[in-house]
Amino acid sequence: ELKVEQNPLFLSMQEGKNYTIYCNYSTTSDRLYWYRQDPGKSLESLFVLLSNGAVKQEGRLMASLDTKARLSTLHITAAVHDLSATYFCAVVRVAYSGAGSYQLTFGKGTKLSVIP
Amino acid sequence: GAGVSQSPRYKVAKRGQDVALRCDPISGHVSLFWYQQALGQGPEFLTYFQNEAQLDKSGLPSDRFFAERPEGSVSTLKIQRTQQEDSAVYLCASSPFDPWDTTYEQYFGPGTRLTVT
Repeated sequence: ELKVEQNPLFLSMQEGKNYTIYCNYSTTSDRLYWYRQDPGKSLESLFVLLSNGAVKQEGRLMASLDTKARLSTLHITAAVHDLSATYFCAVVRVAYSGAGSYQLTFGKGTKLSVIP
Repeated sequence: GAGVSQSPRYKVAKRGQDVALRCDPISGHVSLFWYQQALGQGPEFLTYFQNEAQLDKSGLPSDRFFAERPEGSVSTLKIQRTQQEDSAVYLCASSPFDPWDTTYEQYFGPGTRLTVT
């Protein structure tokens, strides 16, 4: 059974500080996704990481993937209040070869609060 | 272009009632997924369609849950005899299943928040 673990689950940080969210997964997968969810809203795609060593950056967020360690990180640089949200990582499990039942398995999410 | 839409956005049902939740995927998207998100948790997979074929229903929690996509576009998730534990947000996602696009990215709708009283 594929398991995805995020830590921390709750993160309170001051504006201007840096921090990293970690995502570990239990079985082989070479596609990892990061989503953002604001309260009462749906999931907004942030990053798609396709291969070992992949690194993507958008603004103050940078995501990386180490498939050998089964680890992805989401690094926040100089946090601002607008980044307050819940961040999910998700991993693809291809259930059927060729049929593409590539369901996502999500972590529990990291609730980030950036304090002015 | 238009994204994934879901209706209703909010549904309150009395325990024992049947409910039907609708999903309109992005036009042309072959793949459609349903997920259930309990309060404070990550979404959990329910079922998957490729066109009109339901290829994976391993995540449906009980036989009270039923999903269909008869014409390969709009999908309906039906829950019979609702129970309090069914209270959650139900998210629909679609994906193009383009063999040239290996991201397998899924695009999520706004969700339907179901409350069973």
